[in-house]
Amino acid sequence: LAKTTQPISMDSYEGQEVNITCSHNNIATNDYITWYQQFPSQGPRFIIQGYKTKVTNEVASLFIPADRKSSTLSLPRVSLSDTAVYYCLVGVENRDDKIIFGKGTRLHILP
Amino acid sequence: GAVVSQHPSWVICKSGTSVKIECRSLDFQATTMFWYRQFPKQSLMLMATSNEGSKATYEQGVEKDKFLINHASLTLSTLTVTSAHPEDSSFYICSAGGGIYNEQFFGPGTRLTVL
Repeated sequence: LAKTTQPISMDSYEGQEVNITCSHNNIATNDYITWYQQFPSQGPRFIIQGYKTKVTNEVASLFIPADRKSSTLSLPRVSLSDTAVYYCLVGVENRDDKIIFGKGTRLHILP
Repeated sequence: GAVVSQHPSWVICKSGTSVKIECRSLDFQATTMFWYRQFPKQSLMLMATSNEGSKATYEQGVEKDKFLINHASLTLSTLTVTSAHPEDSSFYICSAGGGIYNEQFFGPGTRLTVL
């Protein structure tokens, strides 16, 4: 599994766009980039996954440059309820493969 | 999306007793499930991989005789914390994979407090 580096914490304000960048210099050719969100006292939940360029869903966008050594999770117009920990994971996605979580980014949205 | 449930959602027990936590995949079958523990303000730490019909695979440093895992069916895995001590107090989370992106579905977690 490729090692990932994310900011430990970030603060933003309601209505702003938040971008969380994850570095993964050792990403392998077959690796995907997956982001999970965890609210306090809950299990994580899948947000988005991508391989290259840009992926968008109803929750977020994921931007991946051509060299794939980093990725950016973009949350549009955040609200207080987006306060959570966001984990960036890199690996070959197989349903039976274990996931090793990094420290994640603790995002705090202010009113 | 698929749903994974856990029971109980919280439990308080006395030191020395055993506690069983159930993890169920409600609308899909899971030959493999994972158990994590999480301390306050920390990330999830993988404890073990639960394999249906066979022995669990434990991560380094996790005592298999203390954390008994049973995966007797394709929808149920149980984690039993034996002879619990206050240092076992933590948030225990299970997961199972299988979404369209092969992502993991996580249970809501079980808060264990050992007095």
